[in-house]
Amino acid sequence: QQKVQQSPESLIVPEGGMASLNCTSSDRNVDYFWWYRQHSGKSPKMLMSIFSNGEKEEGRFTVHLNKASLHTSLHIRDSQPSDSALYLCAAANYGNEKITFGAGTKLTIKP
Amino acid sequence: EAAVTQSPRSKVAVTGGKVTLSCHQTNNHDYMYWYRQDTGHGLRLIHYSYVADSTEKGDIPDGYKASRPSQENFSLILELASLSQTAVYFCASKRGTDNQAPLFGEGTRLSVL
Repeated sequence: QQKVQQSPESLIVPEGGMASLNCTSSDRNVDYFWWYRQHSGKSPKMLMSIFSNGEKEEGRFTVHLNKASLHTSLHIRDSQPSDSALYLCAAANYGNEKITFGAGTKLTIKP
Repeated sequence: EAAVTQSPRSKVAVTGGKVTLSCHQTNNHDYMYWYRQDTGHGLRLIHYSYVADSTEKGDIPDGYKASRPSQENFSLILELASLSQTAVYFCASKRGTDNQAPLFGEGTRLSVL
């Protein structure tokens, strides 16, 4: 059974600062990682995806993947109060229907 | 536009009663999932399905049944609701075993009293 570990559990970042979130899978065959953002009282919405080693940037958001260490990280630069949310990491293998989520990182941006 | 619709959006149930949560997708997706979320925590997989009339157990299936009568519909059934099943339940759909991310419904908030 795949496990997905996220760290830290919670993070407080000043407005305009950089937030860094981590996620590691226990499954050596993991193929896909997705990062979701969930605002309070809302459903999770996919934010970023990464499938190959390296880095991917979309606006203020950058995601890294190191498949050898089964680790992905999400970085948010110039953090805004609207970035305050629960960030969930999900992982899956090609050909396997099960998608496992981590426990999440609660991010708070302090004005 | 792709959509996953859950009903009801909230429900209060009595301990020992039967609860059915419904999910409908218009995305022509093969895969559907039921997840449970406890306050401030991540998502745990209860049941999932990749074809009509077939369901699979997820990581926490005890106390839950699932039904997939058609490609579009997927239900979660609590035969004997318990206090510990108070949570928010999310349904999701996904095209296939590829890199497309699951799409979530708006959730059902269930309170068992």
